[in-house]
Amino acid sequence: DARVTQTPRHKVTEMGQEVTMRCQPILGHNTVFWYRQTMMQGLELLAYFRNRAPLDDSGMPKDRFSAEMPDATLATLKIQPSEPRDSAVYFCASGLAPGQSEQYFGPGTRLTVT
Amino acid sequence: ILNVEQSPQSLHVQEGDSTNFTCSFPSSNFYALHWYRWETAKSPEALFVMTLNGDEKKKGRISATLNTKEGYSYLYIKGSQPEDSATYLCALRGDTDKLIFGTGTRLQVFP
Repeated sequence: DARVTQTPRHKVTEMGQEVTMRCQPILGHNTVFWYRQTMMQGLELLAYFRNRAPLDDSGMPKDRFSAEMPDATLATLKIQPSEPRDSAVYFCASGLAPGQSEQYFGPGTRLTVT
Repeated sequence: ILNVEQSPQSLHVQEGDSTNFTCSFPSSNFYALHWYRWETAKSPEALFVMTLNGDEKKKGRISATLNTKEGYSYLYIKGSQPEDSATYLCALRGDTDKLIFGTGTRLQVFP
């Protein structure tokens, strides 16, 4: 049963620390998305990749966030330095493009910055 | 900027009741409309992808319709059960791979 995996599932860190979240997309999927769940905005797209190339990161605060896909099986989202307002659940999703297929979501990383 | 609106924000129904909610979107620049089911403390799970005006999709007791000309989709649940309690999200895909999500309808079904 293919699924998107994310690590860690939970992360508690202090303000100013670096946080790295990892995602393994479903094998064969060529698009990867990073979302943040917030109370106010629901699911907010931070960045996405197609065939490992970043296509849109306009939703991401550029000064502290960065997203990469070092290879087809790994996507990373890094926050440096982290701030309390970054506390949220971060979801990774993967899919097939072009086309109309669904996005398949991972279980999320719950980040708490104190 | 594409804006997806869902109504109502929340809904409380009794077990056995049928219910429906609405997703509204700008009809221009439409490529596909997605529905997701999102249970608390879990991740969103795809229900339907709809592309053609007049599309109707069904999965068990849940069905959805699409009107791209007027920019809306309805999700119906027949004979709601407590396990249907979740947030139902719709998302619009324009001419990119991006999905623009609505804020969801939170459904609670009481036994």
